Amino acid sequence: AQTVTQSQPEMSVQEAETVTLSCTYDTSESDYYLFWYKQPPSRQMILVIRQEAYKQQNATENRFSVNFQKAAKSFSLKISDSQLGDAAMYFCAYTGSGNTGKLIFGQGTTLQVKP
Amino acid sequence: NAGVMQNPRHLVRRRGQEARLRCSPMKGHSHVYWYRQLPEEGLKFMVYLQKENIIDESGMPKERFSAEFPKEGPSILRIQQVVRGDSAAYFCASSSIRAGYEQYFGPGTRLTVT
Repeated sequence: AQTVTQSQPEMSVQEAETVTLSCTYDTSESDYYLFWYKQPPSRQMILVIRQEAYKQQNATENRFSVNFQKAAKSFSLKISDSQLGDAAMYFCAYTGSGNTGKLIFGQGTTLQVKP
Repeated sequence: NAGVMQNPRHLVRRRGQEARLRCSPMKGHSHVYWYRQLPEEGLKFMVYLQKENIIDESGMPKERFSAEFPKEGPSILRIQQVVRGDSAAYFCASSSIRAGYEQYFGPGTRLTVT
């Protein structure tokens, strides 16, 4: 069975600095997709970034980028120029192309941004 | 273009009552997923439906829980004879295509069982 692990329950960063959130996963599939979702205090789940496993190039969305290491099964999220609005719970998620599209989530990392 | 809608946003039920949670997917989306989030935990998959079909219910508890997505109207997650352990946030997500594509989440329904 596939699993997703986020080993950092909490992280903090100074405003305008850079922070990296870690995520590892376990799968026997070769074709899959990885996501980072943000959940602010409103509890709304917001998609931050998406990565296809067959693509070697790391995905980037404005201040958010990933470091995808397929061999190591690692998928970290880097947030540059952190803003107060980035404070939230961040979830790493996996879905395999061979399954029904259901997302498997990690436990989450709470990010605190200090002014 | 309205996003995924869920109602009610908050639902309080006494033990033994029934809870009905509704989800209207984004326009044009025919794939609906339900997830449950217990306090201080990540989301856990419950069920995946397409119109009039349950595709994957591997995450659904065997008893008291059921889901449907009729040809017309919203998807419904139904919990019979609720217990305190059912208290959680229930999220619905929709997608236009199955695996690999973005799932757009609704705001969730927070169920409290007293």
